[in-house]
Amino acid sequence: DADVTQTPRNRITKTGKRIMLECSQTKGHDRMYWYRQDPGLGLRLIYYSFDVKDINKGEISDGYSVSRQAQAKFSLSLESAIPNQTALYFCATSDLSANTGELFFGEGSRLTVL
Amino acid sequence: KNEVEQSPQNLTAQEGEFITINCSYSVGISALHWLQQHPGGGIVSLFMLSSGKKKHGRLIATINIQEKHSSLHITASHPRDSAVYICAVYNNNDMRFGAGTRLTVKP
Repeated sequence: DADVTQTPRNRITKTGKRIMLECSQTKGHDRMYWYRQDPGLGLRLIYYSFDVKDINKGEISDGYSVSRQAQAKFSLSLESAIPNQTALYFCATSDLSANTGELFFGEGSRLTVL
Repeated sequence: KNEVEQSPQNLTAQEGEFITINCSYSVGISALHWLQQHPGGGIVSLFMLSSGKKKHGRLIATINIQEKHSSLHITASHPRDSAVYICAVYNNNDMRFGAGTRLTVKP
């Protein structure tokens, strides 16, 4: 099984719908991240968390919210999806003690908003 | 201007060719990462560098801190090397990513 698991892997939805992407990890890492990937652009940080209940905005947090209720789980919500949120979303983890920045990624969740 | 620039954006090679992908950055860093993203979408870490050179199989990564430049080389390229290669720089809990280089190796 993958160390970082994202669900769903693919989702098609309509404008205005609420969507939740879930991420769980078995690596025991404190730090978890949600990134968005668009064609021709680098990965951009949406939100990150360094511990349970710790939430920090990233570069592009508008239109998104997150929840970190347990060390192993970090969920991303789109309260009212819009077409320009169509993208590939990645969850990632890192080890606080290593302080190297090395990230461990999930397989990605492809979201299409019609 | 992006803080992390990769070149080329797209690269097509014949099997067996020597490949070089470049990464230049404009910010201070404590580490530079090379990542690989296969067509299925998953991203894996290839190298983490803070100085010098690292080698893993047919892959070699180098970094020149003074020039703020890194290269990823692939020797004897193979179709299974076809992927997007991403450069990322890390400093003080912040990671910045390049847009990636799409490599296609033809048999």
